[in-house]
Amino acid sequence: RKEVEQDPGPFNVPEGATVAFNCTYSNSASQSFFWYRQDCRKEPKLLMSVYSSGNEDGRFTAQLNRASQYISLLIRDSKLSDSATYLCVVTVYNQGGKLIFGQGTELSVKP
Amino acid sequence: DVKVTQSSRYLVKRTGEKVFLECVQDMDHENMFWYRQDPGLGLRLIYFSYDVKMKEKGDIPEGYSVSREKKERFSLILESASTNQTSMYLCASSLKVGTGYEKLFFGSGTQLSVL
Repeated sequence: RKEVEQDPGPFNVPEGATVAFNCTYSNSASQSFFWYRQDCRKEPKLLMSVYSSGNEDGRFTAQLNRASQYISLLIRDSKLSDSATYLCVVTVYNQGGKLIFGQGTELSVKP
Repeated sequence: DVKVTQSSRYLVKRTGEKVFLECVQDMDHENMFWYRQDPGLGLRLIYFSYDVKMKEKGDIPEGYSVSREKKERFSLILESASTNQTSMYLCASSLKVGTGYEKLFFGSGTQLSVL
């Protein structure tokens, strides 16, 4: 079983739609959580950290459920520019603090 | 803004060649990482380093070695390139774990093709 699992998609949605991605992690010692965004043929860039209480940044909302070991990303009012691959990332301190990436979920927003 | 620079965007090498991938960061970060990214497999950690002359194996170190002689530079070495090492290689750096801030800054990647 992969340590961090995501639905690879693709998710094809119309502009203005709300879309949600989930990510599950297997190691209960996981301590920090992030969403990264990767555009086609580009490097990943941090989108947002995920806090225990949940957090919001504009149209983006991230939530953490430690009991069920998953994190989520909600995108409201999708824009064409949101088209990208979204990577779920987990840090496990008992593994030296290394970041473990999910394989990513592809989002395509259509006009 | 942090800059992580990888020496080559595209590289073509032959089987058996020794390959050096160079990475330099300009923000005095302690941590540096080498990942490879393959379709359907995501990013996989090859090696990482938390300090000069220090290295730790990641999840897939076989066939690779690294060198960190200076804080700003982290090199990935393919001792004898093979076709299954054809991949996108991404270097990253971050502040030291323990500051509570582990944002990774990536270089733009090197697409390596081994023929």
